Amino acid sequence: AQSVAQPEDQVNVAEGNPLTVKCTYSVSGNPYLFWYVQYPNRGLQFLLKYITGDNLVKGSYGFEAEFNKSQTSFHLKKPSALVSDSALYFCAVRGDNRLAFGKGNQVVVIP
Amino acid sequence: GAGVSQTPSNKVTEKGKYVELRCDPISGHTALYWYRQSLGQGPEFLIYFQGTGAADDSGLPNDRFFAVRPEGSVSTLKIQRTERGDSAVYLCASSLIAGQGLTEQYFGPGTRLTVT
Repeated sequence: AQSVAQPEDQVNVAEGNPLTVKCTYSVSGNPYLFWYVQYPNRGLQFLLKYITGDNLVKGSYGFEAEFNKSQTSFHLKKPSALVSDSALYFCAVRGDNRLAFGKGNQVVVIP
Repeated sequence: GAGVSQTPSNKVTEKGKYVELRCDPISGHTALYWYRQSLGQGPEFLIYFQGTGAADDSGLPNDRFFAVRPEGSVSTLKIQRTERGDSAVYLCASSLIAGQGLTEQYFGPGTRLTVT
């Protein structure tokens, strides 16, 4: 079965510093990978996806993610974090007509 | 355009009662999904519809849970004889193309169900 792991519970970063949220995956076959963000009392918002092609994927709100097949990773990155980026971030992998989500990472951007 | 909408936003019910949760997907999206998100966890798959039919209901936890999508648009998740362990946020999502990994799913704001 497809699965993802998000090893950190919380990521703290100072405003203006680079932000990285880690995700590793386990799949049989080609990976279809996604990142979503969840603000309090809101639904999940799609950020970006990797299907095929370039290993660096660009998404919404200045976020990007790097697909690394040898390390089975799909880390989310932003060069300069904003206070408004504070939220819960989920990595997900597509398989068997569903998304399998990680447990999520709480990102706290400190002013 | 309008996104996925879900009603009610909050539902409090007593143990043993019956509840219905409604999802209105993005117009034209053929695939519809229900997930359940417990506190501190990522969403977990419940059921997937392709058109009117439930193509995969393997995530439903037991036979107290049932979902329908009679006209291929709006879906209703039904829970009978609710238990306190059913308390969670129930998320609905829709996507343009079903059965493939190419299109992203768009999520509604969720219904927070509390069983007392």
